Amino acid sequence: GQNIDQPTEMTATEGAIVQINCTYQTSGFNGLFWYQQHAGEAPTFLSYNVLDGLEEKGRFSSFLSRSKGYSYLLLKELQMKDSASYLCARMDSNYQLIWGAGTKLIIKP
Amino acid sequence: ETGVTQTPRHLVMGMTNKKSLKCEQHLGHNAMYWYKQSAKKPLELMFVYNFKEQTENNSVPSRFSPECPNSSHLFLHLHTLQPEDSALYLCASSQEGGTGGEKLFFGSGTQLSVL
Repeated sequence: GQNIDQPTEMTATEGAIVQINCTYQTSGFNGLFWYQQHAGEAPTFLSYNVLDGLEEKGRFSSFLSRSKGYSYLLLKELQMKDSASYLCARMDSNYQLIWGAGTKLIIKP
Repeated sequence: ETGVTQTPRHLVMGMTNKKSLKCEQHLGHNAMYWYKQSAKKPLELMFVYNFKEQTENNSVPSRFSPECPNSSHLFLHLHTLQPEDSALYLCASSQEGGTGGEKLFFGSGTQLSVL
């Protein structure tokens, strides 16, 4: 099917590192997006990967392996404000976005 | 502030009511979208407008009726909704729909409760 799989919820400690995984169907792939959504707010764009490898943007990095149908979002030096839901979305061959259900990240002091 | 504004933020309506959701974008984008977000479920694409023309209607029930009078404004007209339609309705825009790698700019959504 077109399922995007990501964990429902994760907990991490302030100052630590957390990796949020996302697996997807590999056929008809045109890129992988990550969005951040704080409770009651708009989802906001974090990253877009279309080639294999790691892309770093400050404390956040996103990795893609097209052959494995696998991506992760890596958050370093966690801050309390990083508590949010993280949405993974795959762009298919028709440039439609297929979304995961999101991972709720809870940061504890 | 994402440049996409949705009103109202919250809406409670009965099943016999008629209401409208409004979205406005100040980004000069040409594509606008309506999404439905239910708790613990993936975002569901409802409608896409590209240069004011509807290009996607993902089998949405006719009780939801979109309207796009110009590239900056998008409406979702609601009538005779069901309780299962209760959800967060998100509006988004992008430079041009249907191209790869294009990021979406979302509004904060309208939290809809149907009683």
